[in-house]
Amino acid sequence: EAQVTQNPRYLITVTGKKLTVTCSQNMNHEYMSWYRQDPGLGLRQIYYSMNVEVTDKGDVPEGYKVSRKEKRNFPLILESPSPNQTSLYFCASSLVSPYNSPLHFGNGTRLTVT
Amino acid sequence: AQSVTQLGSHVSVSEGALVLLRCNYSSSVPPYLFWYVQYPNQGLQLLLKYTSAATLVKGINGFEAEFKKSETSFHLTKPSAHMSDAAEYFCAVSIHGGSQGNLIFGKGTKLSVKP
Repeated sequence: EAQVTQNPRYLITVTGKKLTVTCSQNMNHEYMSWYRQDPGLGLRQIYYSMNVEVTDKGDVPEGYKVSRKEKRNFPLILESPSPNQTSLYFCASSLVSPYNSPLHFGNGTRLTVT
Repeated sequence: AQSVTQLGSHVSVSEGALVLLRCNYSSSVPPYLFWYVQYPNQGLQLLLKYTSAATLVKGINGFEAEFKKSETSFHLTKPSAHMSDAAEYFCAVSIHGGSQGNLIFGKGTKLSVKP
């Protein structure tokens, strides 16, 4: 089944403890992206990647890192999480880019930082 | 910079009534416009998109949207609401010829459907 898989679905952590949220897609998509969703703010793009070894900042990249060493994986890294990073995170992928092929979303990772 | 504004964070309609969700965009160059839907506890999925071909775009589940350049709008409509349409709807914009990775979403409109 074609899908974007995020892990974990739920994560509670403490301030400053490094964490990684994994994202994997099995559709051979070139493009991958991370969004965070907050009430009243909609979805905001954190980072995106047009291809392997190519990553770019979105609108809210501060406090996050990503890497794209292989096409199928695009992990999101929080080196030193803070409470303002408590949010619902979505990974998404697209065949080439989101403006000429649909974005496929994972089911989300709900992160709480205390 | 491009942006989208969705008017109304919550819209409530009765089953069988017209659904109208409003989206206005800001862009100095021709935009590509999208509507995505998010059902409870799920990621988003594409409803429809406008890419400078026909101004009236038909999507899945009976939804359609009309691109009106003079009004900078891309409102989403459905003639008759169904209970299964209850979800959150997001308008999004990407600039043709611009950064192809940057898709800007609106803040979303939550649609409730009353029996």
